[in-house]
Amino acid sequence: EVQLVESGGGLVQPGGSLRLSCAVSGFTVNTNYLSWVRQAPGKGLQWVSLLYSGGNTNYADSVKGRFTVSRHNSKNTLFLQMNNLRAEDTAVYYCARISRQGYSFEYWGQGTLVAVSS
Amino acid sequence: QTVVTQEPSFSVSPGGTVTLTCGLSSGSVSTSDYPSWYQQTPGQAPRTLIYSTHTRSSGVPDRFSGSILGNKAALTITGAQADDESHYYCALYISRGFWVFGGGTKLTVL
Repeated sequence: EVQLVESGGGLVQPGGSLRLSCAVSGFTVNTNYLSWVRQAPGKGLQWVSLLYSGGNTNYADSVKGRFTVSRHNSKNTLFLQMNNLRAEDTAVYYCARISRQGYSFEYWGQGTLVAVSS
Repeated sequence: QTVVTQEPSFSVSPGGTVTLTCGLSSGSVSTSDYPSWYQQTPGQAPRTLIYSTHTRSSGVPDRFSGSILGNKAALTITGAQADDESHYYCALYISRGFWVFGGGTKLTVL
């Protein structure tokens, strides 16, 4: 059974850092495309980042240079390192597996809330 | 900047048919954008309904269907049920390794 479980969210001050984790089961992180998608309170979904199976990465313009996506193969875990956080980064962050058949977000975690506030 | 447009809200009667659309602020949506559709109820993670324009995800009832209508992607719900009342989001694969979501449509069944 495919499962994605996010953790690491919390309250952080503007300018601070946070690292989110996404523990995966039912497949391996190093053979799949994985993404982070976020949702600000009361707002819609926003794609944040992509980690290719080969290790290359892509980011939305709004987080480029501040966020870094990575993985730990032996722990089968995806990470999102978030630096220089801003109030507008406040959101529930979801990790998702990408279906390469349809370039869609095939499986989702339950999300973890990041709140950036002083 | 690519903007994906969706109707902010829509209502449908129980048993009725509704079509939600997903467009681009400039240009047309095509199958090459791999339109996908997601259903989300409050407090829950999104659920994948449709990918590659018209392919239903596993377990999705056949009352949900996807298509291209004119210059937009479309999600049609035939025989709407009360538990179809949700937010619906489309996503477009706008270029290699980049996606944009629409703002979402709040569907009311009444």
